[in-house]
Amino acid sequence: EPEVTQTPSHQVTQMGQEVILRCVPISNHLYFYWYRQILGQKVEFLVSFYNNEISEKSEIFDDQFSVERPDGSNFTLKIRSTKLEDSAMYFCASSEAPLGLATGELFFGEGSRLTVL
Amino acid sequence: SQELEQSPQSLIVQEGKNLTINCTSSKTLYGLYWYKQKYGEGLIFLMMLQKGGEEKSHEKITAKLDEKKQQSSLHITASQPSHAGIYLCGADKNAGNMLTFGGGTRLMVKP
Repeated sequence: EPEVTQTPSHQVTQMGQEVILRCVPISNHLYFYWYRQILGQKVEFLVSFYNNEISEKSEIFDDQFSVERPDGSNFTLKIRSTKLEDSAMYFCASSEAPLGLATGELFFGEGSRLTVL
Repeated sequence: SQELEQSPQSLIVQEGKNLTINCTSSKTLYGLYWYKQKYGEGLIFLMMLQKGGEEKSHEKITAKLDEKKQQSSLHITASQPSHAGIYLCGADKNAGNMLTFGGGTRLMVKP
């Protein structure tokens, strides 16, 4: 069964460093997302991406964050100058269609746990 | 913003018992998605509801959306240890391609 894969599964970084989290969405999907979940808190939307552009982003997704689809398979989240409060599980998701349509459900990866020291 | 409240926050049931989890929205829902999250893992899609009064079932799990489209319930019949996890409802606000999630209901099933 097709699945969304994320790497690394766990990354530890020093405050102020840059991290890149990588995702390989399901191959025929066109819509891509990043969510995050701080330990013990809600799953929060960060950004959605379609046709090589950001289609929507939350207040969390400020200039510290960026996304890119560098090739036909990868979708990356870059976090510049990491802060302690960036420590969280970051989930990538993809969907075949936008929300609301029959095939618009999001398929999530297993997550990348980021720990900022 | 679309606020979703889930109840209960946690639930412990004996194997074989039925249970219901609720998700209430402060605004009319355009679409409501149910996901299950195993501890420390990703979210698994369960069901999507869009129409008022809609009901869907998969194996022993049934989800309903009320007529006013502000409340959804997830019912598990004859619970099993494999049902344990965190159940999340997510709202589609019909103004963008994003899901807003509730706080989750943590379910434990005692054998």
